[in-house]
Amino acid sequence: SAVISQKPSRDICQRGTSLTIQCQVDSQVTMMFWYRQQPGQSLTLIATANQGSEATYESGFVIDKFPISRPNLTFSTLTVSNMSPEDSSIYLCSVERQGRDGYTFGSGTRLTVV
Amino acid sequence: AQSVTQPDIHITVSEGASLELRCNYSYGATPYLFWYVQSPGQGLQLLLKYFSGDTLVQGIKGFEAEFKRSQSSFNLRKPSVHWSDAAEYFCADYDSWGKLQFGAGTQVVVTP
Repeated sequence: SAVISQKPSRDICQRGTSLTIQCQVDSQVTMMFWYRQQPGQSLTLIATANQGSEATYESGFVIDKFPISRPNLTFSTLTVSNMSPEDSSIYLCSVERQGRDGYTFGSGTRLTVV
Repeated sequence: AQSVTQPDIHITVSEGASLELRCNYSYGATPYLFWYVQSPGQGLQLLLKYFSGDTLVQGIKGFEAEFKRSQSSFNLRKPSVHWSDAAEYFCADYDSWGKLQFGAGTQVVVTP
């Protein structure tokens, strides 16, 4: 299965600033997925990133807050904009394994907003 | 839309004892079901999956799960837990749009 490199692994940011998280995959994939895991919570899908088109956002998530780039088939970024303490979470990048075989996940970015 | 529920938020088990984590899925013609584990400070690792065929599936780390359509369940089991099994466990399935959705998770604590 694909190997995903995600960075930064953690960061502490000031409120009102933005952070861009990078996700690099070692093989070409059609779709990449971004999840948020709030403290003590499960994973919630933020958006699906397709190469060459706008990302598709889930209910409750908007492009102005979480802009996503997908410049090629192996790379994507998620930006958390105008951060507040409520954005403190783990953000995870993932890709689908072949044949609807579930997803492979990056190690996540642990974000703390102060 | 299909979804999964994990009734147990937290389970404590003694090392060497058996473990069973519950997962129930809502109606779906062809459930694609998964169990993931998240160790402290780590990403998610796939333990096992079920699509069709044999209803008892074997996974990594000595885990197995049994799909029971009559009970809409896909419970995860391990005969004898190790201290390293302390982690958060998530059941997941594909929703109607083919995106992976997760249950609330079960935190497993292993005592000596």
